[in-house]
Amino acid sequence: AQSVTQPDIHITVSEGASLELRCNYSYGATPYLFWYVQSPGQGLQLLLKYFSGDTLVQGIKGFEAEFKRSQSSFNLRKPSVHWSDAAEYFCAVGENTGTASKLTFGTGTRLQVTL
Amino acid sequence: DVKVTQSSRYLVKRTGEKVFLECVQDMDHENMFWYRQDPGLGLRLIYFSYDVKMKEKGDIPEGYSVSREKKERFSLILESASTNQTSMYLCASSSNIWGLAGGHYEQYFGPGTRLTVT
Repeated sequence: AQSVTQPDIHITVSEGASLELRCNYSYGATPYLFWYVQSPGQGLQLLLKYFSGDTLVQGIKGFEAEFKRSQSSFNLRKPSVHWSDAAEYFCAVGENTGTASKLTFGTGTRLQVTL
Repeated sequence: DVKVTQSSRYLVKRTGEKVFLECVQDMDHENMFWYRQDPGLGLRLIYFSYDVKMKEKGDIPEGYSVSREKKERFSLILESASTNQTSMYLCASSSNIWGLAGGHYEQYFGPGTRLTVT
């Protein structure tokens, strides 16, 4: 079975600073990888996804992520963080069960942005 | 845009009550999912459904059941609510269309229902 590890529970950065959120996955084949964001009191919104091809994927709100097969990682980055980026971020990997395609989520990283 | 709605944002119930959480999606998606979200544990899959009247257990189905009588609606049922079921419940849906490789994994989420059982 797949698993996803987000080693950082909580990260604090200053507004304008760069950001990198770590994600490691365990999956035998080529993975389908996702990053979701959850603002306080809200559901999850898709930031970006990796299916195949270029290992650097661009998402919404200025985020990007890089797939590194050798490191089993899919880290999320942003060059300059805005106060509105404060939220919880979830990495997920896709699994096909034969009846449906499911996602396995990491435990999340909460981002705090200081002004 | 895909829209997934949940019947309540906040719900307070007493121990032992039967609780229904409703989820509706408007994109004709085949798959629907129920998760619970707890601090430090991320999202855990309770049940999912891949077609009307079809369901499969997720990782933590104990104490829950589900119903899918219509394609657009997926209900989560707590037969006898307990305090350890106090949590945020999230519903999601996805398509079975395989035209875009991997696209069928992409899930769309509702805003969540925060359930408190006292």
